[in-house]
Amino acid sequence: QKEVEQNSGPLSVPEGAIASLNCTYSDRVSQSFFWYRQYSGKSPELIMSIYSNGDKEDGRFTAQLNKASQYVSLLIRDSQPSDSATYLCAAKLQGAQKLVFGQGTRLTINP
Amino acid sequence: GAGVSQSPSNKVTEKGKDVELRCDPISGHTALYWYRQRLGQGLEFLIYFQGNSAPDKSGLPSDRFSAERTGESVSTLTIQRTQQEDSAVYLCASSVPDRHEKLFFGSGTQLSVL
Repeated sequence: QKEVEQNSGPLSVPEGAIASLNCTYSDRVSQSFFWYRQYSGKSPELIMSIYSNGDKEDGRFTAQLNKASQYVSLLIRDSQPSDSATYLCAAKLQGAQKLVFGQGTRLTINP
Repeated sequence: GAGVSQSPSNKVTEKGKDVELRCDPISGHTALYWYRQRLGQGLEFLIYFQGNSAPDKSGLPSDRFSAERTGESVSTLTIQRTQQEDSAVYLCASSVPDRHEKLFFGSGTQLSVL
């Protein structure tokens, strides 16, 4: 099993709806998780981080961590066409500083 | 500079040639990472530098790949005897000492091996 796994999509969501992106992880990662957004042809940028069980909200974005089930989610409320991008889940490896990334989920918000 | 700078932005080379990719991190960022991203794929970790510590080379795919960094300055990634499967975007990122998860990425080098 890869350290971090995502459904590569594509995921299509109508404008204004909630987009839900999921990521599962293995025992080889630590309890620090991150969501990066990558627009087409651009570099990734950090949008959310979560370290403890439960939800963390930032504007229209909510990150959810469920340690028992080993998954992390990103919810985007009132999704906008500008949210169309690839979303990468990342985590730190146990005992290391490096970040490992999932393969990314391509999200398209349809007007 | 204001951000992470990578050069060249595009590189087309013939199979078997050596290439050198350059990354200039944000000033004061002691951590520097190289990742590879194949078309439509996620980021594949290659190597990590932290200050003057020994680098974490665990992601380098073969001995054709090597990277150097002097202190907290510029890093170069060298690929010897390039193969077609080396074609990808090579991304460099840097971070401050206590915020390793907040990576600032350069715009990448698109490498095409013909």
